[in-house]
Amino acid sequence: DAGITQSPRHKVTETGTPVTLRCHQTENHRYMYWYRQDPGHGLRLIHYSYGVKDTDKGEVSDGYSVSRSKTEDFLLTLESATSSQTSVYFCAISDSQGFGNQPQHFGDGTRLSIL
Amino acid sequence: KNEVEQSPQNLTAQEGEFITINCSYSVGISALHWLQQHPGGGIVSLFMLSSGKKKHGRLIATINIQEKHSSLHITASHPRDSAVYICAVSYSYNTDKLIFGTGTRLQVFP
Repeated sequence: DAGITQSPRHKVTETGTPVTLRCHQTENHRYMYWYRQDPGHGLRLIHYSYGVKDTDKGEVSDGYSVSRSKTEDFLLTLESATSSQTSVYFCAISDSQGFGNQPQHFGDGTRLSIL
Repeated sequence: KNEVEQSPQNLTAQEGEFITINCSYSVGISALHWLQQHPGGGIVSLFMLSSGKKKHGRLIATINIQEKHSSLHITASHPRDSAVYICAVSYSYNTDKLIFGTGTRLQVFP
C-alpha cells in the first residue's frame, strides 16, 4: 500500500473555527490532491499540488486554502468552517506529470463534522 | 448532469454471479480509471486504461473509445467484493483533472 497518512481521521468542530487537515506521504510522489466526498456527488477536487510551494485550485476550492512546504506534507485549511464543509475529505498522491494518466493512491479519509 | 455516468447505481447479487458495472462519458479521454471503495471508506485504484482490456484476478475492465463506454466485470462474485465501484476519467483537453462518477454500490450475498 502507498504510504499516505491523513490526520486527524475524525473531527467535530463548531462553525467559524479554523480547521487544518494534514496529508503525509512517504512515497516521494510529486502530485498531491485534496478531494471531498459527499452523498450524491462524485469525488470533487478541492486543491492540488504539483510540487513544493506549487498549488492550484480544483472545482470546489472556495473556503479552502492549502500549503505544501515539504514534498511529504500537504495541508488543507478551512479558515472559518461552515456547516456546508461537513464532508469526508480524501488526500491522494500520484507520480505523474499529468495526473490523469497515472493511478492515484488515496489516504483513508478524514470525516469532518461542523456543527 | 454528471459528465461521467455510471449504471446501475445499486446492484445486488448472489455469490458466484457474474457482475457488470457500466460507465459512460461525454468527450474524448486520455485515460479511464476504476476505483473500489470498501465500507470502511478506503479507496483503492483497480485499473487505469486508455484502450482495450485489462484483467486482474477476477476483475476485468474494458473500454470502447468509439462508444465512450467502459465496463467493469467481476467473475465468480464473492461477498468480499461488496463495495462501491467508482469510474473516473481524465479528458483529452485537460489531463490535469479527474472527473468522477457517483459510484455503483455492489452487495454480494452468500
